[in-house]
Amino acid sequence: DAGVTQSPTHLIKTRGQQVTLRCSPKSGHDTVSWYQQALGQGPQFIFQYYEEEERQRGNFPDRFSGHQFPNYSSELNVNALLLGDSALYLCASSLDNGGHRSSGNTIYFGEGSWLTVV
Amino acid sequence: GENVEQHPSTLSVQEGDSAVIKCTYSDSASNYFPWYKQELGKRPQLIIDIRSNVGEKKDQRIAVTLNKTAKHFSLHITETQPEDSAVYFCAASIDRGSTLGRLYFGRGTQLTVWP
Repeated sequence: DAGVTQSPTHLIKTRGQQVTLRCSPKSGHDTVSWYQQALGQGPQFIFQYYEEEERQRGNFPDRFSGHQFPNYSSELNVNALLLGDSALYLCASSLDNGGHRSSGNTIYFGEGSWLTVV
Repeated sequence: GENVEQHPSTLSVQEGDSAVIKCTYSDSASNYFPWYKQELGKRPQLIIDIRSNVGEKKDQRIAVTLNKTAKHFSLHITETQPEDSAVYFCAASIDRGSTLGRLYFGRGTQLTVWP
């Protein structure tokens, strides 16, 4: 049973550049969320995708955008990188039961992508 | 929006002692409270969670308690071991039955267990 997988694991970018991070959810999951975790901080919610649409969005500028594909995998794009974008970017997956009540929903995180902006 | 406060920020205990980490939340609509353990350079790992329809949940040496009225929940680790050393995050979310909403995290507690 594959867990949440992310790529790349580490990358270095220059200010002003653009970056794309990728995520494959846990097998059987259809909902993908992205979080940013700065050093020494808790993860901060960026957005959540379900059925290829952004369902929820946190307090992040429009430079942060995403996409979800029909196979439920997802990409996070960040444009015009700033030094302050340096962080661990975590993908999390869960399952939307489509209206069937369940007490078993949980959220699982991938290993993350370490982004350094120089 | 939801605001989750977590205390203490650092906690040092002797091996075998108990550790308690406390969190408060502000949104009474929150009904799902997971705890994550994050080792250095690793992903957050879910260690236990609780929903608002129960007041306590236990899994071996780990337990979580929830007081809905006071809007606080706590993580209890008994018989601590050096491998319990990590950063622990509490979080709050809304479970609408079919789907989980965004997680609001506390700032984390660095737990150090001394042999």
